[in-house]
Amino acid sequence: EAQVTQNPRYLITVTGKKLTVTCSQNMNHEYMSWYRQDPGLGLRQIYYSMNVEVTDKGDVPEGYKVSRKEKRNFPLILESPSPNQTSLYFCASSLKGPGFGANEKLFFGSGTQLSVL
Amino acid sequence: GQNIDQPTEMTATEGAIVQINCTYQTSGFNGLFWYQQHAGEAPTFLSYNVLDGLEEKGRFSSFLSRSKGYSYLLLKELQMKDSASYLCAVSRNSGNTPLVFGKGTRLSVIA
Repeated sequence: EAQVTQNPRYLITVTGKKLTVTCSQNMNHEYMSWYRQDPGLGLRQIYYSMNVEVTDKGDVPEGYKVSRKEKRNFPLILESPSPNQTSLYFCASSLKGPGFGANEKLFFGSGTQLSVL
Repeated sequence: GQNIDQPTEMTATEGAIVQINCTYQTSGFNGLFWYQQHAGEAPTFLSYNVLDGLEEKGRFSSFLSRSKGYSYLLLKELQMKDSASYLCAVSRNSGNTPLVFGKGTRLSVIA
């Protein structure tokens, strides 16, 4: 089944304890992206990757890191989480990146609800 | 800057028709997506419009007017399961210009 797999689904942690949220897609998509979603603010892009070894900042990159060593995987790393990073996180992928019309259609993972105490 | 406006909330009755509007002002335009998102779940794709006019897909239709910077999603024969948030997102030109999402419209379908 074609899907974006994101883990964990729920995560509670404490300030300063490094964590990684994993994301994997099995559709051979070139483009992958991370979003956070907060009430009243909608989806905001954290980082994106146009292809392997190519990553770039989105609108809210501070406090996050990513890597794209393989096409299928795009983990999100919080080196030193803080309470303002408490949010619902989504990984997404698409066949192609921006400007490719319908091929820019995003497929989303099931989300990670992160709470930083 | 990039600006997408949608109503924050709407309420409609089961069996009725509802129209969710989206206006946009963006640098560059390639097409417009609509996504559905149930509470606590991932957004899922509903439609994509690149040309002016109405695209019909079952109970859901989406309309685009490029000259007016305007789109709407039309939901017919509303069902309780249609209670969700509906997000419009604008595709811009190529390069470092990812999709711009509106904040979403939360639709409540009541009996």
